[in-house]
Formats: sequence, C-alpha cells, structure tokens
Amino acid sequence: DAKTTQPPSMDCAEGRAANLPCNHSTISGNEYVYWYRQIHSQGPQYIIHGLKNNETNEMASLIITEDRKSSTLILPHATLRDTAVYYCIVRGYYGGSQGNLIFGKGTKLSVKP
Amino acid sequence: GAVVSQHPSRVICKSGTSVKIECRSLDFQATTMFWYRQFPKKSLMLMATSNEGSKATYEQGVEKDKFLINHASLTLSTLTVTSAHPEDSSFYICSANREDYGYTFGSGTRLTVV
Repeated sequence: DAKTTQPPSMDCAEGRAANLPCNHSTISGNEYVYWYRQIHSQGPQYIIHGLKNNETNEMASLIITEDRKSSTLILPHATLRDTAVYYCIVRGYYGGSQGNLIFGKGTKLSVKP
Repeated sequence: GAVVSQHPSRVICKSGTSVKIECRSLDFQATTMFWYRQFPKKSLMLMATSNEGSKATYEQGVEKDKFLINHASLTLSTLTVTSAHPEDSSFYICSANREDYGYTFGSGTRLTVV
C-alpha cells in the first residue's frame, strides 16, 4: 500500500472550515484514499473514502487532485468535538480484500473556541 | 451500520495474571478481525490478524504465546494477554471488515498492569 504524508498538527477556529492535507504520491491506480479519525481514548472512526472523484457525506468532503497524488479532507464547520487525530490511509478497495489498514502518524487537529 | 463491540473498556490487573479482551461484530459476520495496540501519543500498530476457524497471523515482533488470539465464531474474536507485565499496559483496539461497509473499529480497551 502507498505511503502517506500528513502534517503532524493543525489548529482551526471553531465554526471555520478545517482543511487537512495528505500527500500520497506513490498511489497506484486501484488504490483508494480513506480518512479515519481518532478522538482521544476511542477507536478510530470512519469518515470518508474516494478513488478519484471528489466525495461528500454528512461528515466531510474529500477533494482528490487530478493526478491523485494528494488529497484534502474538509470539515466544513469545525466544532470542538472535531478535535482528534486524523489519519489518511491509502490501500486497495476493501470490498474484495481482507487485508488490514496501516496507520501512519496522522494529523492532530485542535479546534479552538 | 456495522458495529463492533469491544469489552472491557478498561481493566486493571496484577502483574503475572492473564486478561481476556473480547471483540464482537454485532450486526454482521466477520471472517477476519484485526488487533491493534497503541501506546500513548503513538499511532495504531497492527499486532495480528484473527481468522475465524484457523490460527491467527501475527506481525513481526509480536509474541504469539503472550498474545493469544481465538476467533471461535464469525462474530467473536478474543485477545488474551497472558502473564501480563507493566510493559503490556497499553490501549488495545480491534477492528472487523465488513465487505460492503469497510473497516469498523471497537472502542478500545485500556489495560493497566500493576
């Protein structure tokens, strides 16, 4: 699975959009980009995933560059409860695979009042 | 949705005793579950892959005799930390993969060995 690079930490003001970048320059054509987050002392929570098109759900939006070498997770209106470590993970589609998820160091997002 | 229940959420045990952690997929069957370990301020590290009806696959450096994994049914995997020592104190997390839903994680177990 391709390696990802994320900034170690970011701050965001409450109510503003949080934009979390991820570089995955070695991503291959059949690999998806997944985002999970982990709030302190809890298990990781799925946020969103995508292949090449931008995706949006009730939690966030995922913007993937045309060359797929990087992506940005957008939390449109960050709240204090969004303070967490955000993990960007690249791997093949889990639908047909029983492989595991490999976690990098992630980005610690601090939402401040 | 896909729900994974992990129990207990916290456990304190004496050095030398064994502790069992359960991971259940509540609304789906999971032929494969995964066990992770997380130290403070560190990322999740995969310990082993639990396979229903067969032996678990352990990652390099993980002692299989210390961390016993049993996946007796399609909805239950257990991790037993045997002869626990203070250095085994950590946050243990399980996950299961549901084919149409992806990876779902349990809420984690905080193990403290005193």
